[in-house]
Amino acid sequence: EDQVTQSPEALRLQEGESSSLNCSYTVSGLRGLFWYRQDPGKGPEFLFTLYSAGEEKEKERLKATLTKKESFLHITAPKPEDSATYLCAVRPSGSARQLTFGSGTQLTVLP
Amino acid sequence: EAQVTQNPRYLITVTGKKLTVTCSQNMNHEYMSWYRQDPGLGLRQIYYSMNVEVTDKGDVPEGYKVSRKEKRNFPLILESPSPNQTSLYFCASSPTTSGLYNEQFFGPGTRLTVL
Repeated sequence: EDQVTQSPEALRLQEGESSSLNCSYTVSGLRGLFWYRQDPGKGPEFLFTLYSAGEEKEKERLKATLTKKESFLHITAPKPEDSATYLCAVRPSGSARQLTFGSGTQLTVLP
Repeated sequence: EAQVTQNPRYLITVTGKKLTVTCSQNMNHEYMSWYRQDPGLGLRQIYYSMNVEVTDKGDVPEGYKVSRKEKRNFPLILESPSPNQTSLYFCASSPTTSGLYNEQFFGPGTRLTVL
């Protein structure tokens, strides 16, 4: 059974304090790993797609990396506006059901 | 503006009273899906549709129905709601059902409470 585990569940950082969020996955062939950001009261917003081990993608203060077993979302010098829940999802190869989500990491960046 | 819309945004109802949550997208996407989000459980897929008149069960389909008569609309139907269906519901759409990229666009969510 496909499984996605995110850690930590919650993370509090001071503004400017860099850190990483972890997404561990077990899947029968990976067709893509996705990161989403979700603000309170809103739907998830797409950030990145990673397809193969070793791939990296960046957007502003965020950088996503992928290995064969996990993905990291690195946040460099975060700002309070980066506070949100970050969701990881995987798409197994051969699956028509598309995405299996983790339960997310709630990030709070304090000014 | 490209978007996925859901209505209503908030709904309080009673056990057994049939309800429909509408979802519409204006991006001509083939794929549409419904999720529910519960604390500690993440987003779980209820039903999905690969295209018009093509629907299939996700991970938690019990107690729900869907239909896809038009490409832009994908309503979620609860024939006899129960309290365990109290949740936050999201509709999503995607521009392709195959291929490598799979960005999903999510609606704003519908918070449903079943008393």
